[in-house]
Amino acid sequence: DSGVTQTPKHLITATGQRVTLRCSPRSGDLSVYWYQQSLDQGLQFLIQYYNGEERAKGNILERFSAQQFPDLHSELNLSSLELGDSALYFCASSPGTSTGELFFGEGSRLTVL
Amino acid sequence: GENVEQHPSTLSVQEGDSAVIKCTYSDSASNYFPWYKQELGKGPQLIIDIRSNVGEKKDQRIAVTLNKTAKHFSLHITETQPEDSAVYFCAARTFQGAQKLVFGQGTRLTINP
Repeated sequence: DSGVTQTPKHLITATGQRVTLRCSPRSGDLSVYWYQQSLDQGLQFLIQYYNGEERAKGNILERFSAQQFPDLHSELNLSSLELGDSALYFCASSPGTSTGELFFGEGSRLTVL
Repeated sequence: GENVEQHPSTLSVQEGDSAVIKCTYSDSASNYFPWYKQELGKGPQLIIDIRSNVGEKKDQRIAVTLNKTAKHFSLHITETQPEDSAVYFCAARTFQGAQKLVFGQGTRLTINP
């Protein structure tokens, strides 16, 4: 158990809808990272937050947004969903801003029908 | 942006044999190279990492080598066991844009008994 909690584990929704994925980092970790894992696409970095502030941005679509709250949990919002958004979304956390070891949650599997 | 290429995408070896997975990276400023193992239904977990000031690191049956000049690094697993079956990801810390960890596409390793 990495200590990172993600909910929901599975989510099925329709095109055009909006969903929110939630992540609770390990106790004491200030950084939260979001990654997307599609079939044969590896782990694509979306965004990083550190202590409530956006720290780094990757290939995150404009339809996606994220935030980190004062209690350090984070939410990833996906809107106007398309079939191609179907993927595993991973949250990871680390103690600081320097990307050393990342501790990953078990992921949220999103299926868009 | 930073690119990490990983080969092969699938690898099947007999139990007891060795397995080698190779990665190349593009950002010459990259200085940290971790390897993650992802078991079925789980999030990736760090198994070994190497920093740019060393050329090789070992941890029991696992070793990683780094060639900074050629910008490539490799994972070596000796005396493979069935529990080594998993997807393995290499990654590189890049400083292009913002500091972030960029992952390879993954290698599905199968150990045949």
